[in-house]
Amino acid sequence: SSELTQDPAVSVALGQTVRITCHGDSLRLFYASWYQQKPGQAPILVIFGENSRPSGIPDRFSGSISGYTASLTITGAQAEDEADYYCNSRDSSGVGVFGGGTKVTVL
Amino acid sequence: QVQLQESGPGLVKPSQTLSLTCTVSGGSISGRDDYWSWIRQAPGKGLEWIGYIYSSGSAYYNPSLGSRLTISLDTSKNQFSLKLTSVTAADTAVYYCAKYYYDGTGLNWFDPWGQGTLVTVSS
Repeated sequence: SSELTQDPAVSVALGQTVRITCHGDSLRLFYASWYQQKPGQAPILVIFGENSRPSGIPDRFSGSISGYTASLTITGAQAEDEADYYCNSRDSSGVGVFGGGTKVTVL
Repeated sequence: QVQLQESGPGLVKPSQTLSLTCTVSGGSISGRDDYWSWIRQAPGKGLEWIGYIYSSGSAYYNPSLGSRLTISLDTSKNQFSLKLTSVTAADTAVYYCAKYYYDGTGLNWFDPWGQGTLVTVSS
């Protein structure tokens, strides 16, 4: 089965830029999507495709892909961006997978 | 816009069957190219993909859940359901339903999500 690997935690100073990565073989064939989850809340979609944002998601969130790695970048991180972030994709047989999640702390 | 709401028992005894329903409002679950999915999150853990069902009725399941899992559609009620048999404490989690989009080439995502419902497996 496919796997997606994320760093467990990253920290960023208020107003600075942070990149979260997601690595997996399936990303050569399928795009990743990214989700933000705050404590006690359901996840919300923040990035899909190479770099598309649903309506209502601030433009400081952006995505990119290079080879087997997808990245989520927060440019000018705000206090409200402190959350867990998960990547997701699928494999050719239709099986889905989430990365282990990255806890983002805004200092 | 489409909204999803999970419902079902919050407590299930070990070895019994966990049954949850997701009610979809603001859109039909019979729409072409629509997938309807379940995702869970054990306390303090990450998200785990459970499976999804296509509007045609074809279902895809997490291999780790094997034959214990069934996802089905009820188009008359605009609902889809999850049944997980022979549950253990390891199945204790918040269960989310979500709409899944897949374009057939590579683009895929989950949106929107329900608020989630906690299911505890305990005697």
